[in-house]
Amino acid sequence: DTAVSQTPKYLVTQMGNDKSIKCEQNLGHDTMYWYKQDSKKFLKIMFSYNNKELIINETVPNRFSPKSPDKAHLNLHINSLELGDSAVYFCASSYRDRGTDTQYFGPGTRLTVL
Amino acid sequence: GDSVTQMEGPVTLSEEAFLTINCTYTATGYPSLFWYVQYPGEGLQLLLKATKADDKGSNKGFEATYRKETTSFHLEKGSVQVSDSAVYFCALSDPFGNDMRFGAGTRLTVKP
Repeated sequence: DTAVSQTPKYLVTQMGNDKSIKCEQNLGHDTMYWYKQDSKKFLKIMFSYNNKELIINETVPNRFSPKSPDKAHLNLHINSLELGDSAVYFCASSYRDRGTDTQYFGPGTRLTVL
Repeated sequence: GDSVTQMEGPVTLSEEAFLTINCTYTATGYPSLFWYVQYPGEGLQLLLKATKADDKGSNKGFEATYRKETTSFHLEKGSVQVSDSAVYFCALSDPFGNDMRFGAGTRLTVKP
């Protein structure tokens, strides 16, 4: 009965590789988000999708490409990984269209680029 | 743009001590305010929220009151436990959750 799940939990890879992180929510929410948390715990939004449409796209390198095949999934694909991409990435979801603003977070994916 | 500023940590307290973590915000409209908690190795969990001025959010002994006049949402707990050790994030969002802004986080360590 996991609400927001992410896979993998840990991801270790070499510079230059391409990798994907998957996110799924079973809450029936209409909006999903990706956040990046750096080593100092600072949390910054990267993307937001509402009903499969992009509504927030912060200043993120175009090596990062979110993909939302349906309202329950928002995957994050990263091309040509760099050392600075090492962080914990959190997926979240909410009921934006119902005016309910609480976001529910996944457990995070710790990405380490070597 | 809208932003949140919370007190820098780390904060170290003894068990049963009183906790206050300050949070102030800047917003053009009437945001909702949140406190999230992140336990070691886990994702963020909603701790409490308040959606309008003078609302008080409370959960697990934690409280915070939405103060529009001082643009603050300080987190308090009367008697902390070791299990409260975590990172606490203050956050705000517009009423539709379009853009949630988080503070930098405050690490709390409670010692027995």
